[in-house]
Amino acid sequence: AQKITQTQPGMFVQEKEAVTLDCTYDTSDPSYGLFWYKQPSSGEMIFLIYQGSYDQQNATEGRYSLNFQKARKSANLVISASQLGDSAMYFCAMLGSLYSGGGADGLTFGKGTHLIIQP
Amino acid sequence: EPEVTQTPSHQVTQMGQEVILRCVPISNHLYFYWYRQILGQKVEFLVSFYNNEISEKSEIFDDQFSVERPDGSNFTLKIRSTKLEDSAMYFCASGASGGQETQYFGPGTRLLVL
Repeated sequence: AQKITQTQPGMFVQEKEAVTLDCTYDTSDPSYGLFWYKQPSSGEMIFLIYQGSYDQQNATEGRYSLNFQKARKSANLVISASQLGDSAMYFCAMLGSLYSGGGADGLTFGKGTHLIIQP
Repeated sequence: EPEVTQTPSHQVTQMGQEVILRCVPISNHLYFYWYRQILGQKVEFLVSFYNNEISEKSEIFDDQFSVERPDGSNFTLKIRSTKLEDSAMYFCASGASGGQETQYFGPGTRLLVL
């Protein structure tokens, strides 16, 4: 079974500061993928960034980067130079059995972190 | 940019009624998913669909749920006899492959069962 833990239910950050959202995971799968999604108050789920378990480098997408520490089973999201529009719920998610073939596995989500950017 | 669309955006129904939630996945995607999010809780996987059949399903996806791809573009979730606890946001997602490809989510349908 897979499990995602997000220990920060809420965070307040000053605009333009960097912010780190924590995510730890547990899985017995040898290969897996880690995702971060943003959910603004309007409700949609927006894909931000992906990290594969065998990727040698940490993923980056614009202001988003993923601090992947495989031995510690953590995949923290770092947002640089935060903006007011970054205020939202952020979900860490995992997809296991990447190379098992055939099955279309569902994502396992954490409970999320509610990030509020203050001016 | 292609996107997943869902209709309706909101639906209110009486307990015991059947509802059908509709989704149009991204056109070249082959894998389709339904998730739900009860208010204030995490997103939960319901079912995945590939090659016109269910690929995986969770414990939540019991006999009152069914999925269908009736015409090659739409992907539907049917709840046969709704219960109060079915009230949630339902997300459709699609992916180009079932592996490490990202799943792209639709805007969701907010279902309220009275």
